[in-house]
Amino acid sequence: ETGVTQSPTHLIKTRGQQVTLRCSSQSGHNTVSWYQQALGQGPQFIFQYYREEENGRGNFPPRFSGLQFPNYSSELNVNALELDDSALYLCASRPLAGEDNEQFFGPGTRLTVL
Amino acid sequence: AQKITQTQPGMFVQEKEAVTLDCTYDTSDPSYGLFWYKQPSSGEMIFLIYQGSYDQQNATEGRYSLNFQKARKSANLVISASQLGDSAMYFCAMREGWDGQNFVFGPGTRLSVLP
Repeated sequence: ETGVTQSPTHLIKTRGQQVTLRCSSQSGHNTVSWYQQALGQGPQFIFQYYREEENGRGNFPPRFSGLQFPNYSSELNVNALELDDSALYLCASRPLAGEDNEQFFGPGTRLTVL
Repeated sequence: AQKITQTQPGMFVQEKEAVTLDCTYDTSDPSYGLFWYKQPSSGEMIFLIYQGSYDQQNATEGRYSLNFQKARKSANLVISASQLGDSAMYFCAMREGWDGQNFVFGPGTRLSVLP
């Protein structure tokens, strides 16, 4: 059973650019969530996807968007990058209905916006 | 209002001793789950322990135990026999509802284990 994987590991972009981060969920998990973790803070929920549709969103602007594919892998897209978007982006997957709904996190993508 | 509060930005503990990391939460939902995660410097979030709001007994997982006091809305993590590898950030998190879409994380506590 493979765990959650994310790519790329690190990324450097400049202000105004667009970025796409990728996540492959753990086998058998149909729900994917994305989090932004700024330096020195806890992760902040961006949104969740279930069966290719967004079914929950945190307090993030529309320039943060996502996709989920039939194989349950997912993308996070951020348009018009701002300096404050520099953070560790974490993807987590889980089965929708589970005994404890534990989430399994990937290693994250560290995004730096210059 | 903060849903998860971790009042200890940093904690020190001597190797082989026990340490308690504090977490209080705020929710009006009768069904919720409480989680603790460890995040080493590599960045990956590692699941440690889970407590459901309807669980009668405190959760335990090896050296980790969760001191769940529902009336006080507190879910403290106890690490027994600390090891040097336990040095990391520790986050308390809550999922509201039986199928909560959102895990809310606290600000974290940095634990340093001293040799």
